[in-house]
Amino acid sequence: EAGVTQFPSHSVIEKGQTVTLRCDPISGHDNLYWYRRVMGKEIKFLLHFVKESKQDESGMPNNRFLAERTGGTYSTLKVQPAELEDSGVYFCASSPFRGVTDTQYFGPGTRLTVL
Amino acid sequence: AQSVTQLGSHVSVSEGALVLLRCNYSSSVPPYLFWYVQYPNQGLQLLLKYTSAATLVKGINGFEAEFKKSETSFHLTKPSAHMSDAAEYFCAARVGSSNTGKLIFGQGTTLQVKP
Repeated sequence: EAGVTQFPSHSVIEKGQTVTLRCDPISGHDNLYWYRRVMGKEIKFLLHFVKESKQDESGMPNNRFLAERTGGTYSTLKVQPAELEDSGVYFCASSPFRGVTDTQYFGPGTRLTVL
Repeated sequence: AQSVTQLGSHVSVSEGALVLLRCNYSSSVPPYLFWYVQYPNQGLQLLLKYTSAATLVKGINGFEAEFKKSETSFHLTKPSAHMSDAAEYFCAARVGSSNTGKLIFGQGTTLQVKP
């Protein structure tokens, strides 16, 4: 069974440009999560999809970030326009259920550098 | 507000020595707790999780953790370190009463194993 995949693995862009990150969850997992780790800080929650619906987007930093999950399969996270403070590693995770003890399976992350 | 604290951003042990990685949580409601490990260029992998069934939890690769409510701790241990244990370790929590699936992470601890 394929794990969670993320594309690209690295992205280097200039301030003001747009970047789109993609996450493919494990097949059949209705729950999809985005997290971000800024250098030197802890991993922080961004948002949670259940199928195509946003269950919780309380962690989205501002309206420059737009997450979508059309059809309830893969998800994209767009940053437009990118700022320097958006640099970090963006993780995606998925789980089949949303019970409090259910394991979230993480992808390898996308390292975003904004110059 | 719930928080997770990992004491020590870097821990160094000799091969064969005891591994002790510390994690404390702050919550008005006893949380569900997880330890994840991240090897270079890989996603986070679940080591073990506390689900309230037992306070001593055994995980993969010989790791275990003990939930101590009186100390609000969930420290990770392994009796004998192996070179392959070198990685970054994350403690995370979820609050049982929440409908959201979000995990709250500690800052991470990088484990170095010296030959």
